[in-house]
Amino acid sequence: GNSVTQMEGPVTLSEEAFLTINCTYTATGYPSLFWYVQYPGEGLQLLLKATKADDKGSNKGFEATYRKETTSFHLEKGSVQVSDSAVYFCALRSGGSYIPTFGRGTSLIVHP
Amino acid sequence: NAGVTQTPKFRVLKTGQSMTLLCAQDMNHEYMYWYRQDPGMGLRLIHYSVGEGTTAKGEVPDGYNVSRLKKQNFLLGLESAAPSQTSVYFCASSEPQGNYGYTFGSGTRLTVV
Repeated sequence: GNSVTQMEGPVTLSEEAFLTINCTYTATGYPSLFWYVQYPGEGLQLLLKATKADDKGSNKGFEATYRKETTSFHLEKGSVQVSDSAVYFCALRSGGSYIPTFGRGTSLIVHP
Repeated sequence: NAGVTQTPKFRVLKTGQSMTLLCAQDMNHEYMYWYRQDPGMGLRLIHYSVGEGTTAKGEVPDGYNVSRLKKQNFLLGLESAAPSQTSVYFCASSEPQGNYGYTFGSGTRLTVV
């Protein structure tokens, strides 16, 4: 079956630091890959996605590249802000499946 | 742009009481889902629906029932609430295409005492 593994948190950074949150996956076929963000007290929001190998998704300064050879989709940001403090979920969706697969989430805490 | 709307936002129930959580989406999405989120457990799928009039069990369906009589609404029922059902419940919707993301509601925080 499909699975998504994320690095455990919390990840604690100072403002303007570089961020990487690792995500690796196993899946049949050629899934689409997603990153979602959940701010405190809110639901998940789609942050970015990539639908085929070597695609790069980007949004709000965050980026992730679909690496089929390493089955990875790591989230990066060059300079984090306090407002980026949230929980980040990596997810995949296979074309033939009704059900998405989510990672367990990684909490990011950014200090001023 | 309402997206996915969940009602109520908060609720406290006594053990044994029943309630229904409502999810409404205005995007004409085919697929709808109910999840629960507990600390350290990530998201767990309760039930889902791939079209009006259809429902299916997810990972943790026991103690819950669902109905999808109208395409835009997906109801989650608790017939006899238990403290183990204290959680935050999220509804989500999507389209069938594999490259389509999911739109989530803002959640219902339920406490069973």
